[in-house]
Amino acid sequence: NAGVTQTPKFRILKIGQSMTLQCAQDMNHNYMYWYRQDPGMGLKLIYYSVGAGITDKGEVPNGYNVSRSTTEDFPLRLELAAPSQTSVYFCASSYWAGLTEAFFGQGTRLTVV
Amino acid sequence: ELKVEQNPLFLSMQEGKNYTIYCNYSTTSDRLYWYRQDPGKSLESLFVLLSNGAVKQEGRLMASLDTKARLSTLHITAAVHDLSATYFCAVDRGGTSYGKLTFGQGTILTVHP
Repeated sequence: NAGVTQTPKFRILKIGQSMTLQCAQDMNHNYMYWYRQDPGMGLKLIYYSVGAGITDKGEVPNGYNVSRSTTEDFPLRLELAAPSQTSVYFCASSYWAGLTEAFFGQGTRLTVV
Repeated sequence: ELKVEQNPLFLSMQEGKNYTIYCNYSTTSDRLYWYRQDPGKSLESLFVLLSNGAVKQEGRLMASLDTKARLSTLHITAAVHDLSATYFCAVDRGGTSYGKLTFGQGTILTVHP
């Protein structure tokens, strides 16, 4: 049982480049989330999805886009990367929102130079 | 806007001692989660607290929730080195935002022999 799988684990981007962070879960969870964690800080919610085809913004959505075409996958797109997007990105999923804990992936460490 | 504050942010303990980490939050919520993060790793769920007065225990850790005081505590009993990690509380915003978590800054716990 793989849980939540994120790829890549590490990436260096140049300013202005774009990339997609991949996230897949095999637990049949409806709810999926993207968070970012800046050094020494807690996590901040970027985007959120309650099921295939339904997404919503979190606290810090600017500079990011998401799509959810299947229950399993929830990719995060960075357009025109900026140094402020240097962070560790975590994808998570949960069975029920607000009733069960979220399971987190291993994270993607992104540096924008 | 929901704010979540943990204290202390840094905690250095001797093995065998007891201590409590506090998590205060600013708006009404009856759903709170505790997570553990080891350096460079993902987040691991510790406790899910879903009602006022909820108390959960696992090994040397016990968590409680007082929704009237908007306060959760994570109590550590007879600390051991393996408990060294960063501990986060996260509060569910509830209502139409169930599942959207706001995290505290984290408490870095170091247990010394």
